Amino acid sequence: AQSVTQPDIHITVSEGASLELRCNYSYGATPYLFWYVQSPGQGLQLLLKYFSGDTLVQGIKGFEAEFKRSQSSFNLRKPSVHWSDAAEYFCAVGETYNTNAGKSTFGDGTTLTVKP
Amino acid sequence: NAGVMQNPRHLVRRRGQEARLRCSPMKGHSHVYWYRQLPEEGLKFMVYLQKENIIDESGMPKERFSAEFPKEGPSILRIQQVVRGDSAAYFCASSPQSNTEAFFGQGTRLTVV
Repeated sequence: AQSVTQPDIHITVSEGASLELRCNYSYGATPYLFWYVQSPGQGLQLLLKYFSGDTLVQGIKGFEAEFKRSQSSFNLRKPSVHWSDAAEYFCAVGETYNTNAGKSTFGDGTTLTVKP
Repeated sequence: NAGVMQNPRHLVRRRGQEARLRCSPMKGHSHVYWYRQLPEEGLKFMVYLQKENIIDESGMPKERFSAEFPKEGPSILRIQQVVRGDSAAYFCASSPQSNTEAFFGQGTRLTVV
């Protein structure tokens, strides 16, 4: 069965510092890969996605992620964090074997706190 | 183009009552997914529907839970005889095709008292 691991439950960074959120997955093939952000009491907003092609993916709000097949990882990065980035971040894997991108397995999330 | 609309946003039910959660997908989207998020956890897939058909219900609890997506109207997630453990946020997502990403609604937060 597929699984997603986000090793860091909580990360604190200073405003303006760089950020990397880790995501490792287990899947029998190359999956669809997603990063979502969730603010308290809100729904999920898609930051970026990987389906195929270039392994470095650019997203909204200045985020990027790199798919590394050899490490089964899809880490999220941002060069300079803003206070408004404080939220919970979820990595997710969608099914490719039946091209079902909408059926995803989510990690447990990483809560980002931004210090002024 | 309005996003995925879920209502109500908040729902309080007493133990033993029924909860009905509605989801109107984005215009042109015929694929609907329901997820449940327990406190301090990630989202867990429940069910995948297309118009009038349940495609994958592998994440649905065996009892008390049902889902439908009729030809006309919103998708409905129904929970009968709710228990405290059903308290969670329930999210709906929709997509135009199965091989594209799904867009999420704001969720319905169910509290069972």
